[in-house]
Amino acid sequence: SAVISQKPSRDICQRGTSLTIQCQVDSQVTMMFWYRQQPGQSLTLIATANQGSEATYESGFVIDKFPISRPNLTFSTLTVSNMSPEDSSIYLCSVEGGTGADTQYFGPGTRLTVL
Amino acid sequence: ELKVEQNPLFLSMQEGKNYTIYCNYSTTSDRLYWYRQDPGKSLESLFVLLSNGAVKQEGRLMASLDTKARLSTLHITAAVHDLSATYFCAVGRSGSRLTFGEGTQLTVNP
Repeated sequence: SAVISQKPSRDICQRGTSLTIQCQVDSQVTMMFWYRQQPGQSLTLIATANQGSEATYESGFVIDKFPISRPNLTFSTLTVSNMSPEDSSIYLCSVEGGTGADTQYFGPGTRLTVL
Repeated sequence: ELKVEQNPLFLSMQEGKNYTIYCNYSTTSDRLYWYRQDPGKSLESLFVLLSNGAVKQEGRLMASLDTKARLSTLHITAAVHDLSATYFCAVGRSGSRLTFGEGTQLTVNP
């Protein structure tokens, strides 16, 4: 299995500001995934982060709004830039872990509220 | 584009009863995942199904996969209140992103 931690666990931010979310994994992983879960909704992939290369963004998500860093095989950050109330969501990072990559594990999430 | 559909989206059931949640997906994929999410919490992995006919059981939950029909089921046996949560199915390939269903919000009443 993989143990994932995220910081901060929650935050309340003002419109127009930016927040950087950190994701730390207890083992080296090739890919890290960033998802968004809007209130009462399912999960939507924002981007896939590979170490040493640019993140790959899904349709509807752009690098200027959600810049991602992946400096090594155990850590990644997601920044939510120029926030608006529509960005209020839970942001989760995820990795594939375990022997034979048995499943995808999720971090505890960062609950973001934008006023 | 891969689509994943769950039904029902809302399920209210009595303790002791049995029920099944269905998950249909539109294109062939390697793996079918089931997750549980409690309010305000992250996702907990329940099952990963890898092949046609796969069946896995954990306590009162049993998951199965029919890749030909592109259908997975999550069967609940003799429900108890502690099973109240939202259940998601997701489809993906090894080392790749997951596509999630809408989720099934399960409430088990005494």
